[in-house]
Amino acid sequence: GAGVSQSPRYKVAKRGQDVALRCDPISGHVSLFWYQQALGQGPEFLTYFQNEAQLDKSGLPSDRFFAERPEGSVSTLKIQRTQQEDSAVYLCASSWGLAETQYFGPGTRLLVL
Amino acid sequence: GENVEQHPSTLSVQEGDSAVIKCTYSDSASNYFPWYKQELGKGPQLIIDIRSNVGEKKDQRIAVTLNKTAKHFSLHITETQPEDSAVYFCAAARTGNQFYFGTGTSLTVIP
Repeated sequence: GAGVSQSPRYKVAKRGQDVALRCDPISGHVSLFWYQQALGQGPEFLTYFQNEAQLDKSGLPSDRFFAERPEGSVSTLKIQRTQQEDSAVYLCASSWGLAETQYFGPGTRLLVL
Repeated sequence: GENVEQHPSTLSVQEGDSAVIKCTYSDSASNYFPWYKQELGKGPQLIIDIRSNVGEKKDQRIAVTLNKTAKHFSLHITETQPEDSAVYFCAAARTGNQFYFGTGTSLTVIP
């Protein structure tokens, strides 16, 4: 079956621009996670949804980061007024539940110039 | 929160040899420990996982061991092949919490 998909795969933004990153989880997966992966590092947790409810957003680095999952399936991570330090790969993962196996998408590589 | 440390950061082995990657964690309440393989330009892919009620798990050439007392777990790859070359991440999680990842091990298998 289809895995987790993310779009766009690559995004170049000028500093100060807003960006929106999309995640399509595996059909039926209740939980959806966003992670940020800096070059040469492991993924770091940003936020977590169970269905449409955002249960944990403790990892979002600033109020410029916003995530939503309005219908409990597709999710969008939005970054306002992008900064150079936002450059990273943004990974989305989905699972049946928390602390269960998470399946990752290919990621969106964001470069802020 | 949880702190996961992973060693070594880079590892080179000859094809056919074994590779071992070790991780330690700090939160004794963590009860789920997955390992992911990440190839260049791709997302992490789960290769094996273990829960805290099990000490060892094996899947063909890959095995994971867990020592809850010492709070460490290891990935063992036997009979390595060039296609095993990738970055490997360990992670720790507990029910009701998110995954905490190690910093990764870049494995190179030399033909």
